[in-house]
Amino acid sequence: GAGVSQTPSNKVTEKGKYVELRCDPISGHTALYWYRQSLGQGPEFLIYFQGTGAADDSGLPNDRFFAVRPEGSVSTLKIQRTERGDSAVYLCASSLSGTNTEAFFGQGTRLTVV
Amino acid sequence: GEDVEQSLFLSVREGDSSVINCTYTDSSSTYLYWYKQEPGAGLQLLTYIFSNMDMKQDQRLTVLLNKKDKHLSLRIADTQTGDSAIYFCAATRSGNTPLVFGKGTRLSVIA
Repeated sequence: GAGVSQTPSNKVTEKGKYVELRCDPISGHTALYWYRQSLGQGPEFLIYFQGTGAADDSGLPNDRFFAVRPEGSVSTLKIQRTERGDSAVYLCASSLSGTNTEAFFGQGTRLTVV
Repeated sequence: GEDVEQSLFLSVREGDSSVINCTYTDSSSTYLYWYKQEPGAGLQLLTYIFSNMDMKQDQRLTVLLNKKDKHLSLRIADTQTGDSAIYFCAATRSGNTPLVFGKGTRLSVIA
C-alpha cells in the first residue's frame, strides 16, 4: 500500500474485554514499531519487530499487552482485560531497514475503554 | 532513562518566525528529531540532526543543537497557517533504537 495502514481507526470497548489492533506496514519494510500516545502526551514506545521477531519489547507496560508479526508483515497488538487507563491512540510505524529516519507512521487507532 | 521536555504552547503571527525549544537529559543521545502531528494525520518526520552537528537548515526549517546544555530548537521561518500543528522533539541513542518523545508543543499561527 501507499502508507502504513491501521485498523480500526476507532475502537470502543468495555472494561475487561479483549481487543486486537492491526497494523499493515509499507510493503517490504522489515522493521515495525508500536507506540502508544495518551491524551496530551507524546508517543511512548511499546515494541519493535525486525522481521517476525520482537527485537525489543521493553516498552510493553504489563503482561496484558502482547504483539505478534507471524509472517514479517502485518502485526497485531493484543490487549487482554482492558482497563480504562489503556485508552489512548496506538500508533504503528514501519521502516525499510530499521532506522528512525526512514520510518513512516500510520494514523493510529484510537482505543476508548468505557 | 532519557527524558525529553518541551514547552506546551506557542502562538505566533503569520509571517513571523517560530522557535520551538526542547531539552533532553541523556548525553548519549546521538540522534535528535523533530516531528509534526496534524489532526487526523500520522506523525511526520520534519528533520533530524546528529549530535556531532550544531546546526542544520532545510528550507524554512533550522535546527540548532547545543550539546553541552542538551538543548535543541526548531526555527520555522515565515510561519504559515498550515504550520499550525503539534511539534514533537525526540531523541535516541542510535539510529535504530526506539524514539523517546517529548509531550509536544502546540503551535498556533494567527492570520
